[in-house]
Amino acid sequence: RKEVEQDPGPFNVPEGATVAFNCTYSNSASQSFFWYRQDCRKEPKLLMSVYSSGNEDGRFTAQLNRASQYISLLIRDSKLSDSATYLCVVIPGGGSNYKLTFGKGTLLTVNP
Amino acid sequence: DAGVTQSPTHLIKTRGQQVTLRCSPKSGHDTVSWYQQALGQGPQFIFQYYEEEERQRGNFPDRFSGHQFPNYSSELNVNALLLGDSALYLCASSPEPTGWAYEQYFGPGTRLTVT
Repeated sequence: RKEVEQDPGPFNVPEGATVAFNCTYSNSASQSFFWYRQDCRKEPKLLMSVYSSGNEDGRFTAQLNRASQYISLLIRDSKLSDSATYLCVVIPGGGSNYKLTFGKGTLLTVNP
Repeated sequence: DAGVTQSPTHLIKTRGQQVTLRCSPKSGHDTVSWYQQALGQGPQFIFQYYEEEERQRGNFPDRFSGHQFPNYSSELNVNALLLGDSALYLCASSPEPTGWAYEQYFGPGTRLTVT
């Protein structure tokens, strides 16, 4: 089983749509969780951290379910500028506290 | 405030050759990590340097080595290049983490093509 698995995508949605990305992780000792965004041929950039209580940043909502080892990202009212690859990222913990473990990424295209 | 910088931007090498990639961390950051991103994949952790020593290593062969200098900049060296080493190599810097959650800032990457 891969350490971090994401919806394979791609997702094609119209402007204004709500879209959800799902991610699971295998290491129950994992301590920190993030969503990164990567534009085509650019570097990954942190979109938001994911906290146990769930957190929201404008149109973006992240949820964490430790029991199910599941992370989600919800984007409401999609904009053309949201088109990118969304990467689920976990810090494994348990002696591997320093590396980011990335999922394969899910490509989102928002269409006019 | 300059972010993470990497050089060169692009590089073309032949199988069997050696390559050195360079990274300067964001101001105030003392930790540098290197990642390899193959086409269509997420970045894969190669190793992390802190206080001029390799602190943690991912699942990469010994052909991949690195160095960190006193000014916190870093180099990634790859020997005996294989076609499969063709990828985007990303450098990320961060301050020493004080808790479980911390952000790594990525540079624009070096795109290596091995022919």
